[in-house]
Formats: sequence, structure tokens, C-alpha cells
Amino acid sequence: DGGITQSPKYLFRKEGQNVTLSCEQNLNHDAMYWYRQDPGQGLRLIYYSQIVNDFQKGDIAEGYSVSREKKESFPLTVTSAQKNPTAFYLCASTPVSRNTEAFFGQGTRLTVV
Amino acid sequence: KQEVTQIPAALSVPEGENLVLNCSFTDSAIYNLQWFRQDPGKGLTSLLLIQSSQREQTSGRLNASLDKSSGRSTLYIAASQPGDSATYLCAVNQAGTALIFGKGTTLSVSS
Repeated sequence: DGGITQSPKYLFRKEGQNVTLSCEQNLNHDAMYWYRQDPGQGLRLIYYSQIVNDFQKGDIAEGYSVSREKKESFPLTVTSAQKNPTAFYLCASTPVSRNTEAFFGQGTRLTVV
Repeated sequence: KQEVTQIPAALSVPEGENLVLNCSFTDSAIYNLQWFRQDPGKGLTSLLLIQSSQREQTSGRLNASLDKSSGRSTLYIAASQPGDSATYLCAVNQAGTALIFGKGTTLSVSS
């Protein structure tokens, strides 16, 4: 079945540590996105990529980094520069034409310990 | 800058009631609008997608309308059921950026 897989489902990070969240899709979608969700804040865009080897910052990119070496994969690294990383992270994908619906993964809950 | 607002933030209804969720947006230059459902601790599931040239879309007990000129969309849920309890989010798709979301409406349907 086609879809988006995020891993891990739960992740714990120590202060000062970098962690990487995985997002893989087999929908042959060109565009992929990372959102952060906090209670009462809705979804906020971190980074997005419309093509391999290219990506753009979203509204809250500081303290995060991404790569897009393969069409299927769009990993997100939460760096130690991100001061408040505890949140629910969602990955999504769409065809570049934007005429069809977006698909989301099941999310990764990151907690700083 | 596009802003998406959803009203109400929370809604509680008894089973069987018909209900309407509202979504408004400030910039009418959109490709389409999409309604999603989110269960606690889960990802988003797409419910309906309305292209900018369309007025409404229907799927089962759900009907979504779009009035692009006034910047409004509604999601109508007929004969609500306890299984409809979830958070409903709307998002607009426009040039130069990714989907822009409202903060959602949390629906509780009691039996």
C-alpha cells in the first residue's frame, strides 16, 4: 500500500543532543513537508521541498535542518539550537501539481528529557 | 500573508445532530482547500478536497462548500455519531508555499 512512514513514533532527546526524524513515502510525490504541532497552535511549517536536492525554509526553520537526497526521503534533524523541541512532528507529501490531496504520516512525538 | 481561522475552537453535540464547522481565509488566491480529520496522537486524514473552481464536494455524511470570493468554507456533518469525535482542520493551498492550516475545531459527539 502507498503511504508515508514516519519513525520513530516516540523519541526522547537529552539537552544539547541532535536527533533525526525519518520520513519516507512511496507515493511518487515530488513535494514533501515538515510541520510542527503544539497544543493550541495548529500546524506550523518548518521546511518543505518540491524537488530532490532543493528545499525552502518555512515559518519556524530556526534550529532545524533537512536534506532531500532521494525523492522518497525527507529527514528532519532537530539540532541543539532548537530551544523548545518538545512537540508533535508531522511529515506530508503532495504531487508538485498541487491538484490532489496531501497525505500525512502518523507523526513523531519528540520529548526533551 | 494568508491567515486561516476556524470557528468554533470546540464543539459538543449529542448524537444524531447535524452540525457545521467553519473555516475562513484572508487571501482568496488559492489553488484548493482541504479538510482533514485528526484523532488524538495521530496524523491527519484527508476528508475532502475542493478545487478553487468548485463550490462543494460530498463524501458520505460529509459535505464541504467553498466560497472563494468571500474567503469561506464550511464542513457539514450530517447525523453525527460518537465516532466523529476528533479535531477537524482546514488548510488552503496557494502558490509559493505549503499548505496553511487553521488551528482546528475539536468536536465531541456524545451518545
